[in-house]
Amino acid sequence: SYELTQPPSVSVSPGQTARITCSGDALPKQYAYWYQQKPGQAPVLVIYKDSERPSGIPERFSGSSSGTTVTLTISGVQAEDEADYYCQSADSSGTPVFGGGTKLTVL
Amino acid sequence: QVQLVQSGAEVKKPGASVKVSCKASGYTFTSYGISWVRQAPGQGLEWMGWISAYNGNTNYAQKLQGRVTMTTDTSTSTAYMELRSLRSDDTAVYYCARAKLDDYESYYFDYWGQGTLVTVSS
Repeated sequence: SYELTQPPSVSVSPGQTARITCSGDALPKQYAYWYQQKPGQAPVLVIYKDSERPSGIPERFSGSSSGTTVTLTISGVQAEDEADYYCQSADSSGTPVFGGGTKLTVL
Repeated sequence: QVQLVQSGAEVKKPGASVKVSCKASGYTFTSYGISWVRQAPGQGLEWMGWISAYNGNTNYAQKLQGRVTMTTDTSTSTAYMELRSLRSDDTAVYYCARAKLDDYESYYFDYWGQGTLVTVSS
């Protein structure tokens, strides 16, 4: 079955830039989406269609794509950004697939 | 504003069934699909399936085929997910999410319910 691979954890200091990657063979042919999930809460869409930001999401969140890897970048990380982040895309048949998630720790 | 409000926590015995509801408001219910996503304790997100609120068409994850049924009631803007023959590894938080189709005819999820904990235990 199709898999999206994320690093289990990323750590950054406040004010620094966090980059979370997601790799998958089908990413050149499908959009990627990113969700933020804080403990005990539902996921929130923070990036759609590789690099678009929904209304209400801070400008410090951005997304990019290069070949089989997509990247979520959080510039000027704040303590409130500490959360789990999941990428999501689709396999060749259009079935949604989630990455395993990355725990972002703000030191 | 778009809201998806789910039913409360459930405790079920192995072999039983559970039906979770998801009431939508703030948008035209029949203009979007609803997907269900679950999350086992301490684990990641797993897509379970999708239902069109327009015509009731469904698309289920292969591993759940035969055990899951998704339905909608357009008169109350409510979606339902029923899971049968419950096992201990079905213990999870179950989320409904509004599903949108992108240019590749794939789904993504722009609004989520608050989640419903289903515990399967003897």
